[in-house]
Amino acid sequence: NAGVTQTPKFRILKIGQSMTLQCAQDMNHNYMYWYRQDPGMGLKLIYYSVGAGITDKGEVPNGYNVSRSTTEDFPLRLELAAPSQTSVYFCASSYDSKVPQFFGPGTRLTVL
Amino acid sequence: GQNIDQPTEMTATEGAIVQINCTYQTSGFNGLFWYQQHAGEAPTFLSYNVLDGLEEKGRFSSFLSRSKGYSYLLLKELQMKDSASYLCAVRGSNDYKLSFGAGTTVTVRA
Repeated sequence: NAGVTQTPKFRILKIGQSMTLQCAQDMNHNYMYWYRQDPGMGLKLIYYSVGAGITDKGEVPNGYNVSRSTTEDFPLRLELAAPSQTSVYFCASSYDSKVPQFFGPGTRLTVL
Repeated sequence: GQNIDQPTEMTATEGAIVQINCTYQTSGFNGLFWYQQHAGEAPTFLSYNVLDGLEEKGRFSSFLSRSKGYSYLLLKELQMKDSASYLCAVRGSNDYKLSFGAGTTVTVRA
């Protein structure tokens, strides 16, 4: 099992550009999550999904969009990148909400 | 809302014991997780408490008191590789979401 994979590992964007952060898991997990982590801050939940076709907002959803067309994939879309979106983004998955989440290796995004 | 507090930094000597406290005020409570995160890496799961008391896993133990909104992670026989950030996370009334504290950076010195 590859677990949770994320691409790209690093990316630099210009203000106003768009991009999609990819996340995939091969553990047949129903639940998937997107977090951002800023220096000295905890992980903040952006969006989550409890199954294919079902997504919901977390604490900090503004400026982001998600989709969940399959169990395996949960991409995060940034439409108009802003410097405030400079962060490390982690995708995570779990079998259900009562068990630990497995995290991907993260994507380090800089918006200039 | 969710409010989770833990100390920012702790330093200890190799072979010693360190206790990382976490206090929380959340909307409901459905479990508390501890994760370890090495610099530049993803968080990895350490322990889970949903009932009061102590859970022991080798050198790591975690304690929970729901009435006090309090947990601690105890790291025994510290090793250099234990230098990392330790994140406390609480599952509140919404079963699907975890709220994370800012993390405690533990530095182990020789």
